[in-house]
Amino acid sequence: ILNVEQSPQSLHVQEGDSTNFTCSFPSSNFYALHWYRWETAKSPEALFVMTLNGDEKKKGRISATLNTKEGYSYLYIKGSQPEDSATYLCAFYLWGSARQLTFGSGTQLTVLP
Amino acid sequence: EAGVTQFPSHSVIEKGQTVTLRCDPISGHDNLYWYRRVMGKEIKFLLHFVKESKQDESGMPNNRFLAERTGGTYSTLKVQPAELEDSGVYFCASSQGGAPPQSNNSPLHFGNGTRLTVT
Repeated sequence: ILNVEQSPQSLHVQEGDSTNFTCSFPSSNFYALHWYRWETAKSPEALFVMTLNGDEKKKGRISATLNTKEGYSYLYIKGSQPEDSATYLCAFYLWGSARQLTFGSGTQLTVLP
Repeated sequence: EAGVTQFPSHSVIEKGQTVTLRCDPISGHDNLYWYRRVMGKEIKFLLHFVKESKQDESGMPNNRFLAERTGGTYSTLKVQPAELEDSGVYFCASSQGGAPPQSNNSPLHFGNGTRLTVT
């Protein structure tokens, strides 16, 4: 069974704090990992697509790293703002798998003003 | 560019009725996906079209679900007859990047979803 785990499930931080969460996935036959940001009442929005071991990507105050050998990715938010409050989803695809992107259940971030 | 649009945004039907959901992908995106989220759980894959062809429908729960993408443009997802456990949010997404596996290097562009409630 192909599974992706995200931790923590939910997180409350104060405005200005930096935070990070984890996405763990099977490392065999890795092909791609996606991060999405999902605000309430909106649609998931792509943040990053990562394919290479050691990849680091950055978008404003948000960055992500990828370790395909050990099967994890970290998402970092520097200086959290209330508008960062959302559910952050990761999804992976393994080479040769029958299915398409497999999504985790997400980390729900709340940034308190 | 216009984003992925889904219609309707909400649908409430009774058990045994039929509902058809529609998705208009971003123009030029060959890949179209249907996902659903049930009871606040993770988003689950249903199926994937490349143009008008079903590339992968391994996530379709049973034969009460029928998806089409005639002409490789918009897609419909029909549930007939609907059951209580079909309630959830149905998302459509589209992407560029050709067929799998290359398509999985392209980010998905999601619609706002259709919230289906079966009573």
